[in-house]
Amino acid sequence: AQSVTQLDSQVPVFEEAPVELRCNYSSSVSVYLFWYVQYPNQGLQLLLKYLSGSTLVKGINGFEAEFNKSQTSFHLRKPSVHISDTAEYFCAVSAEGNYQLIWGAGTKLIIKP
Amino acid sequence: NAGVTQTPKFRVLKTGQSMTLLCAQDMNHEYMYWYRQDPGMGLRLIHYSVGEGTTAKGEVPDGYNVSRLKKQNFLLGLESAAPSQTSVYFCASSSWDSSYNEQFFGPGTRLTVL
Repeated sequence: AQSVTQLDSQVPVFEEAPVELRCNYSSSVSVYLFWYVQYPNQGLQLLLKYLSGSTLVKGINGFEAEFNKSQTSFHLRKPSVHISDTAEYFCAVSAEGNYQLIWGAGTKLIIKP
Repeated sequence: NAGVTQTPKFRVLKTGQSMTLLCAQDMNHEYMYWYRQDPGMGLRLIHYSVGEGTTAKGEVPDGYNVSRLKKQNFLLGLESAAPSQTSVYFCASSSWDSSYNEQFFGPGTRLTVL
């Protein structure tokens, strides 16, 4: 079985500063990893995904994430945040052939002006 | 191409009332899901379906029923609403030929049970 831990429930950061949102997972099999973003009062949309290949994955809106198999992590980063990045970010994992996604509890990114 | 749509967007119920939430997708996806989202708890799977005419229980199925009579629609029913069912409900869908199960979400239904 898989599980996902998002280590921070909230991350406050000043505008134009860099940010890292942490995600760790556990699994006994190979996994696929996702970050979804939920803007206020909206549904979830895919930010980026790791399926295989290069461990550095680039997504929309300048976000990127790095898959680290030895540390079982998939942290999300952005070099310079904007007020429009205010949202909740969810990390999720699935195993091949498994039609369920296992979700982290979410991290709220709070941008301070 | 509307993707995943949900009806209604908002609803207020009294304890004991019933209602049905409708999810529709136009991507010809085989898999569909109902989640609830509560503060600090992320997304929790209520029920899911792997194809027309089939449904299965997720993590928190009690108090809910579902039906998938047509491939494009997935209905979530509350037979006797309780205040604990106050939540935001999301529907999602995914394709069977996506082995990694990328899910596509609707905009959500905000339900309040008084």
